[in-house]
Amino acid sequence: AQSVTQLGSHVSVSEGALVLLRCNYSSSVPPYLFWYVQYPNQGLQLLLKYTTGATLVKGINGFEAEFKKSETSFHLTKPSAHMSDAAEYFCAVSGGSQGNLIFGKGTKLSVKP
Amino acid sequence: GAVVSQHPSWVICKSGTSVKIECRSLDFQATTMFWYRQFPKQSLMLMATSNEGSKATYEQGVEKDKFLINHASLTLSTLTVTSAHPEDSSFYICSALLQGGTNGYTFGSGTRLTVV
Repeated sequence: AQSVTQLGSHVSVSEGALVLLRCNYSSSVPPYLFWYVQYPNQGLQLLLKYTTGATLVKGINGFEAEFKKSETSFHLTKPSAHMSDAAEYFCAVSGGSQGNLIFGKGTKLSVKP
Repeated sequence: GAVVSQHPSWVICKSGTSVKIECRSLDFQATTMFWYRQFPKQSLMLMATSNEGSKATYEQGVEKDKFLINHASLTLSTLTVTSAHPEDSSFYICSALLQGGTNGYTFGSGTRLTVV
């Protein structure tokens, strides 16, 4: 069965610092991996996704993630944090029994001035 | 493209009443719609999957008689919380499976339900 583990329920960085949000997955088949961002009381916005091909995926708002099969990881990074990046971030893997996504528990990113 | 419009964005209702949440696909046909529930500071948990023209598939532990899902057309799926109780208060989000090999999903903006 597919599963996702996000290490760190809360990450705090200073504005301009590197953002690193960790995601490890478990999948019995080649996974499709996703990162979403959620602002309070809003739906999910896709940041980026990996399906096949290049393992370094670039997304919106300067975020990128690298698929590492050997480490079963899909960590999200951004070189320089901005105040507007403060939000909840969810890593997800495809392959739920109904074709649904399976989500990690989320990581709340705080950005200090 | 691929926008799902979810309404209402928030609703307060009295215990014992029913609330309907609508998700409309605006510029595509949503054959499959997923309904998730999100408790405060927690992840999204799949409640049920609806396919147009057929009965919804509910996840284990979700009461199908309490959470009625209708997917009568390719552009509209609804979730009705019947006889709502305070413990049903939560954030509900729909998500459509995108067809055509895009390997993607699009999400509604969510509905904050508060039962008093």
